[in-house]
Amino acid sequence: SQQGEEDPQALSIQEGENATMNCSYKTSINNLQWYRQNSGRGLVHLILIRSNEREKHSGRLRVTLDTSKKSSSLLITASRAADTASYFCATDVRGSNYKLTFGKGTLLTVNP
Amino acid sequence: DAGITQSPRHKVTETGTPVTLRCHQTENHRYMYWYRQDPGHGLRLIHYSYGVKDTDKGEVSDGYSVSRSKTEDFLLTLESATSSQTSVYFCAISETQGSGEKLFFGSGTQLSVL
Repeated sequence: SQQGEEDPQALSIQEGENATMNCSYKTSINNLQWYRQNSGRGLVHLILIRSNEREKHSGRLRVTLDTSKKSSSLLITASRAADTASYFCATDVRGSNYKLTFGKGTLLTVNP
Repeated sequence: DAGITQSPRHKVTETGTPVTLRCHQTENHRYMYWYRQDPGHGLRLIHYSYGVKDTDKGEVSDGYSVSRSKTEDFLLTLESATSSQTSVYFCAISETQGSGEKLFFGSGTQLSVL
């Protein structure tokens, strides 16, 4: 089974609204990363949060990490149509020799 | 695309034929990875390389082999393609393999095995 699981699988919102995606994982991690994938393209790194951090910001992105619940959330504020993409969490599992394990992704659609 | 080129971008082949996908980087990064992406499975690591002639298996390596004779090129070979290998294949690179290292991805190769 997957180390990381995103929730929901799909999310549709209006432009200007906030979008929240969640990621749950099973084993201890060194860090957790979020990536975005536009249709037909490769993944692009968005943000990284280390296991000893609880919250990070980058522009309109806010990531939280709760290691006790083994979960993370990605919040995109004031969404734009250009934010339409799939979003993946990736975990750097302790003992995995730093190889990232990706979840199945959340498809976000932002309607103009 | 961080100086990563995947070729071909699209390929259709028949079951039982050999297929080689190429990943070329201009960044001189040490670490290179091959992932496959399938609906319902996300991205799964096939093989990775930590230097010239140094490679190791990922979680879904059966039916695949890799080679890295130069820093800039990482080849993925399907010795005898099967329909279950129909997928989108992504190459990725990273400068190091320490904690906190992020990956840079190519644009992908869509492979269809008929």
